[in-house]
Amino acid sequence: NAGVTQTPKFQVLKTGQSMTLQCAQDMNHEYMSWYRQDPGMGLRLIHYSVGAGITDQGEVPNGYNVSRSTTEDFPLRLLSAAPSQTSVYFCASSYWDRDTEAFFGQGTRLTVV
Amino acid sequence: AQSVTQLDSQVPVFEEAPVELRCNYSSSVSVYLFWYVQYPNQGLQLLLKYLSGSTLVKGINGFEAEFNKSQTSFHLRKPSVHISDTAEYFCAVSELDNNDMRFGAGTRLTVKP
Repeated sequence: NAGVTQTPKFQVLKTGQSMTLQCAQDMNHEYMSWYRQDPGMGLRLIHYSVGAGITDQGEVPNGYNVSRSTTEDFPLRLLSAAPSQTSVYFCASSYWDRDTEAFFGQGTRLTVV
Repeated sequence: AQSVTQLDSQVPVFEEAPVELRCNYSSSVSVYLFWYVQYPNQGLQLLLKYLSGSTLVKGINGFEAEFNKSQTSFHLRKPSVHISDTAEYFCAVSELDNNDMRFGAGTRLTVKP
């Protein structure tokens, strides 16, 4: 049971490049989300999904796209990377009930130069 | 939307001393409350959660937290810390009627020998 798997672990992008951060979970969780972690700001919600085919915006969605074609996968796309998107990104998943524990991936450290 | 304030960004403490990490939240509806821990270069792990019932909640690794509705607080405590407790701690709140979890900015606990 792998839990939540994020790839890559590290990435350096040039301004304007695009890329996709991958997230997969094998716990059959309905709810998946993406956060970014910046010093002094904690984790801020980017996008989330309550099931396959359903996504919604969080606190800081601008510059990011998501899709959820399967229960297992929830990729995060940066269409045109900017230095302000330099951050550590975490994917999380949980059951639908809001009182259940969220399981986090190991994170992706992204640097945009 | 709900919000979380962690009152201390850094807490240094000597080994075997007690510690309290403070968390206040803001919400107009009923909430679930969580504490997560992040060890260096890792994702977040659940320490404990408050859903309902007894206001004193016990978690893993000897931590406990007390929910105070009148003060909208959920402070985390441990009577005697260990070097291995050095980590960043995040308070989080989830409202019963929406789909996102909000995190505080984090408190870095450093336990010194």
